[in-house]
Amino acid sequence: EVQLVQSGAEVKKPGESLTISCEGTGYTFGNYYIGWVRQVPGKGLEWMGIVLPGDSEAKYGPSFQGQVTISASKSDGTAYLQWRSLKTSDTAMYYCGRRAFISGAFDLWGPGAMVTVSS
Amino acid sequence: DTEMTQSPSTLSASVGDRVTITCRASQSIGLYLNWYQHQPGKAPRLLIHRASTLESGVPSRFSGSGSGTDFTLTISSLQPEDYAIYYCQRCDVYPYTFGQGTKVEMK
Repeated sequence: EVQLVQSGAEVKKPGESLTISCEGTGYTFGNYYIGWVRQVPGKGLEWMGIVLPGDSEAKYGPSFQGQVTISASKSDGTAYLQWRSLKTSDTAMYYCGRRAFISGAFDLWGPGAMVTVSS
Repeated sequence: DTEMTQSPSTLSASVGDRVTITCRASQSIGLYLNWYQHQPGKAPRLLIHRASTLESGVPSRFSGSGSGTDFTLTISSLQPEDYAIYYCQRCDVYPYTFGQGTKVEMK
């Protein structure tokens, strides 16, 4: 089955580090960009950034540049979203999405992973 | 960066109503515009890409139109399962910004 499988919900304290993951199955993972989208509770969708598996250089939205690191491994078939030092304002649902080859739309989405940052 | 502005923010409608949501880009994005449906507790769902191409499996009551800076998503006859939040998204150049969303609620 073609799907994106995300890691589970996380509860962390401010200042802690965190990496969440998104595994692609049922398709050739390395052929498609993977992006990340944030949804703060009660708010809309925010495009965080995107990476092509195996490429070292991700592209970031202006609000997320320097705040998170996006990467993806062809060998693992997995994309990652990493924080070095979490803030309470990082509390949100995080979705990964596969960028369709031609249209550029996110045609496949993971179920989302809730990250809660609280002291 | 190009901003995406949707209107209205909230729309109250009944089953069977024709619903229209608009999305305006602050500069021309050609046909590089997508529409998504997002229901609580679910992942977003791609409805339309390239402004007017219906994604496979999406009911034909959904349609998209427009180009350049002005785009429209239309639901020809609203069904109970269509109550949701709808987002437009540019995908011409990074960042692939979303609109702020339009909530379609029960009248």
